[in-house]
Amino acid sequence: GEDVEQSLFLSVREGDSSVINCTYTDSSSTYLYWYKQEPGAGLQLLTYIFSNMDMKQDQRLTVLLNKKDKHLSLRIADTQTGDSAIYFCAEKRNNNDMRFGAGTRLTVKP
Amino acid sequence: DTEVTQTPKHLVMGMTNKKSLKCEQHMGHRAMYWYKQKAKKPPELMFVYSYEKLSINESVPSRFSPECPNSSLLNLHLHALQPEDSALYLCASSQDRALGNTIYFGEGSWLTVV
Repeated sequence: GEDVEQSLFLSVREGDSSVINCTYTDSSSTYLYWYKQEPGAGLQLLTYIFSNMDMKQDQRLTVLLNKKDKHLSLRIADTQTGDSAIYFCAEKRNNNDMRFGAGTRLTVKP
Repeated sequence: DTEVTQTPKHLVMGMTNKKSLKCEQHMGHRAMYWYKQKAKKPPELMFVYSYEKLSINESVPSRFSPECPNSSLLNLHLHALQPEDSALYLCASSQDRALGNTIYFGEGSWLTVV
């Protein structure tokens, strides 16, 4: 089973903000990633955050890291229908093993 | 350019066939990976190559045989597969296996075993 946990589904209206949450358990994790997977496609790297950071912003994407609670979130501002996809949270551990969450399926309704 | 190219995009093979999946990157990356992804599941690591040498084999059955002919290419040879091996096979690469290096994925090869 995964040590990285995500809720499986999220549905928002176009133009709203989406917040996808993730929790991890390995305190030695130093890099945390968000990947996007559209139907029938591979994994597209969206963003990542190093564990000595609390926040990282990149255009419509904001990543928040609460290291004490081992909680990571991805906020997508002004969500568009093209943002509909599965979003995977992943942690990279000191042994270089990349561990993925189960993925959150984001549905954006017009 | 952060492109990892995989061929073929789709493959249907019988249980007695021998086929190969191919992966190529021209980013100068020295670590390459094979992941397997079943429907509605996250990717699972199969193999890691570092500087053209096999570093990790996650107890993958011998009917899957990886090969790294050079630093840009990674193959996955398939023989005597089972229907349960049907999945999306993702190739990935990173600069090397250092912790801070991001892993970039290809679009995947959809494999159906009949």
